[in-house]
Amino acid sequence: DQQVKQNSPSLSVQEGRISILNCDYTNSMFDYFLWYKKYPAEGPTFLISISSIKDKNEDGRFTVFLNKSAKHLSLHIVPSQPGDSAVYFCAASEGGATNKLIFGTGTLLAVQP
Amino acid sequence: NAGVTQTPKFRVLKTGQSMTLLCAQDMNHEYMYWYRQDPGMGLRLIHYSVGEGTTAKGEVPDGYNVSRLKKQNFLLGLESAAPSQTSVYFCASSYGALYQETQYFGPGTRLLVL
Repeated sequence: DQQVKQNSPSLSVQEGRISILNCDYTNSMFDYFLWYKKYPAEGPTFLISISSIKDKNEDGRFTVFLNKSAKHLSLHIVPSQPGDSAVYFCAASEGGATNKLIFGTGTLLAVQP
Repeated sequence: NAGVTQTPKFRVLKTGQSMTLLCAQDMNHEYMYWYRQDPGMGLRLIHYSVGEGTTAKGEVPDGYNVSRLKKQNFLLGLESAAPSQTSVYFCASSYGALYQETQYFGPGTRLLVL
């Protein structure tokens, strides 16, 4: 039972264009969402997050949008750069005392020069 | 400031052998986590700890044990390795869970069980 789903295993985008990565979730108790970026042979690194009380959070070239009614969030990267090529994981948390995260399966982004 | 480190980076085991993976953090974080990453499965939580001397089960705890004797270290043990435990293991830590804390990950340990 996958509570966090990333239905696109891979995405290819031209340098300078927008990359849009999508994530869907089923658990209505999730109240905090994060995106992690992972390069090969490295651990995931935190990219950006959003609380359920917001519908948008922006950090430089990265923007995360949250649609609670649709249980959907997306990560926009504008403009995309070759260095953005990595696997992107969506994660969600119910909050509480444990800070446990539920991860999606990841999307491999390839930005073509 | 090394962040989160993991030892070893790579290991090959035979079925039935035991081993311990070590995770260390120098950020004075209270919370620590062990995940495994498998193709098509994302990262799944094995065990976690909310403070020195405490441990708790995550999503996939069977076949693993953990200990948190010191705040900075979190050990993951495999008593009798099985091929199904072939995976990449990641350790993570966070300050706590006061409010939506970010988890910081180590570089991973690649384990192959033959």
